[in-house]
Amino acid sequence: NAGVMQNPRHLVRRRGQEARLRCSPMKGHSHVYWYRQLPEEGLKFMVYLQKENIIDESGMPKERFSAEFPKEGPSILRIQQVVRGDSAAYFCASSPWGGGVTEQFFGPGTRLTVL
Amino acid sequence: KQEVTQIPAALSVPEGENLVLNCSFTDSAIYNLQWFRQDPGKGLTSLLLIQSSQREQTSGRLNASLDKSSGRSTLYIAASQPGDSATYLCAVFTGGGNKLTFGTGTQLKVEL
Repeated sequence: NAGVMQNPRHLVRRRGQEARLRCSPMKGHSHVYWYRQLPEEGLKFMVYLQKENIIDESGMPKERFSAEFPKEGPSILRIQQVVRGDSAAYFCASSPWGGGVTEQFFGPGTRLTVL
Repeated sequence: KQEVTQIPAALSVPEGENLVLNCSFTDSAIYNLQWFRQDPGKGLTSLLLIQSSQREQTSGRLNASLDKSSGRSTLYIAASQPGDSATYLCAVFTGGGNKLTFGTGTQLKVEL
């Protein structure tokens, strides 16, 4: 059973470009979570999704950031018009159920660098 | 607002020593608590999940305890090895149990 997969592992963008980060959850997991780790800071929750639904986006910046988890395919975290402050490691996690009943399993992360 | 603190921030010990990592949280109304390790430049590896109704959970050389009323959890590592060197994170489930609030981490170095 493959773990949570994220791609790309490293992404370099210039200011103003768009970044698209992909996350494939573990097989059988329908709950996906995105977290961000800024340099020298801890991990912070961004958004929680189930298939085709955003359940909790209380940690998402109000502008430029969006997330989706379509019926088919990976979950996508999209950052429009990136700025240097978006440089961070973005981690995706998945679980088979919500409500904290089971562990969240994390992917290796995507390290975004904005030049 | 839930805040999670870990003490110490960094720890260096000789191989073979038993050690305790501490985690405290401000709001005792948590669902569950999960311990992770993070290696430099890598993702998070789940170590243990403690359900809110449990007091303790064990996996190999690791033992984690939870005291909800006092807002504390400890991770005990027995007979430490150089391969245990990593940053250890505790995280509590909040927001209906669907989001993790992470601690500040303890950076552990086990020396030969």
